[in-house]
Amino acid sequence: DGGITQSPKYLFRKEGQNVTLSCEQNLNHDAMYWYRQDPGQGLRLIYYSQIVNDFQKGDIAEGYSVSREKKESFPLTVTSAQKNPTAFYLCASGRTGDPEAFFGQGTRLTVV
Amino acid sequence: RKEVEQDPGPFNVPEGATVAFNCTYSNSASQSFFWYRQDCRKEPKLLMSVYSSGNEDGRFTAQLNRASQYISLLIRDSKLSDSATYLCVVNIGNTPLVFGKGTRLSVIA
Repeated sequence: DGGITQSPKYLFRKEGQNVTLSCEQNLNHDAMYWYRQDPGQGLRLIYYSQIVNDFQKGDIAEGYSVSREKKESFPLTVTSAQKNPTAFYLCASGRTGDPEAFFGQGTRLTVV
Repeated sequence: RKEVEQDPGPFNVPEGATVAFNCTYSNSASQSFFWYRQDCRKEPKLLMSVYSSGNEDGRFTAQLNRASQYISLLIRDSKLSDSATYLCVVNIGNTPLVFGKGTRLSVIA
């Protein structure tokens, strides 16, 4: 079955530690996205990539980093520079020229 | 001014009721419009695209008014399973989707 997979579903980290969230898709989509959602809030764009080895900052990129070495994979690292990292992180992918996005099940990150 | 604005609700309606949500967008260059549904603690899923001519999918009807820059979603004969948050989403060209904060619907037996 084709789809987009995020792991892990729940993640706990101590303050000051970097953590990497995984996102893999086998839909052959060129574009991939990372969004963050806080309680009662909409989705805010962190980073996106429209092609391998290229990515752009979204609205709230500070304290985050990404890589796109393979078409299938777009990992997100939450660094210690991110002041409020506890949130629900959603990865999505899409076809070039098609605005529809397909989401993974999300990773709920809690920093204590 | 926020790019996509929605009434957060919650809208509490009885089963069988008809309920309508509106959404406004600020960028007149917006080209594509969608309603996504998000269940509690789950990922958003596409409910339907929104076209200028309006479109219907079963009990759901979506309308777009480009002149006034608003989008609507009408749900007829509400079911308990319709309880969710409905996200208004717009897109400009080959750029990422912009999401509203969502409108929460609770259908009550």
